[in-house]
Amino acid sequence: AQSVTQLGSHVSVSEGALVLLRCNYSSSVPPYLFWYVQYPNQGLQLLLKYTTGATLVKGINGFEAEFKKSETSFHLTKPSAHMSDAAEYFCAVSLMTGNQFYFGTGTSLTVIP
Amino acid sequence: DAGVIQSPRHEVTEMGQEVTLRCKPISGHNSLFWYRQTMMRGLELLIYFNNNVPIDDSGMPEDRFSAKMPNASFSTLKIQPSEPRDSAVYFCASSFAGSTTEAFFGQGTRLTVV
Repeated sequence: AQSVTQLGSHVSVSEGALVLLRCNYSSSVPPYLFWYVQYPNQGLQLLLKYTTGATLVKGINGFEAEFKKSETSFHLTKPSAHMSDAAEYFCAVSLMTGNQFYFGTGTSLTVIP
Repeated sequence: DAGVIQSPRHEVTEMGQEVTLRCKPISGHNSLFWYRQTMMRGLELLIYFNNNVPIDDSGMPEDRFSAKMPNASFSTLKIQPSEPRDSAVYFCASSFAGSTTEAFFGQGTRLTVV
């Protein structure tokens, strides 16, 4: 069975500080991994994704994530938080052999001025 | 492409009434998903279709909920009769199965049942 665990439903960081949002997955086959962002009253939009190849992937707005197979993790980072980064972030996994997406419960990021 | 299009954006209805939510997926995508988002339960998958066929509807809460996909460019989610606990934001998403394509989400329909 596939699942996604996001540690920390709420994360607060100061403006300019490092952002680290954690995601661990469980998958019986090699997964595709995604991070989505949701701003208030909007749908989810893709930040970045890992499919194959380089394990460090870069996304929009300065975010990046690293796929670590040995740790079954796909943590999202950004070196310096901006006020506009305040949003809900979702980690998701899908399978190479299928078309089902499994989402984590989300992490709400607050950026303190 | 205009992306995934959902209508209406907002719906307020009285308990007991029928509600129909609509979704137009991205052209060429062959998978369609309906999700429900609430503060209490987060993002829940209700049902997903592949090539217009329902593959997994185990997330549909109960018989009051039904979903159809009569063709590749249109899907509906119907609630009959509606109840206050159905109040939530309902998202439709589409993708291309078996590829590296991510799921693309619509803007959602905010449903309020009073």
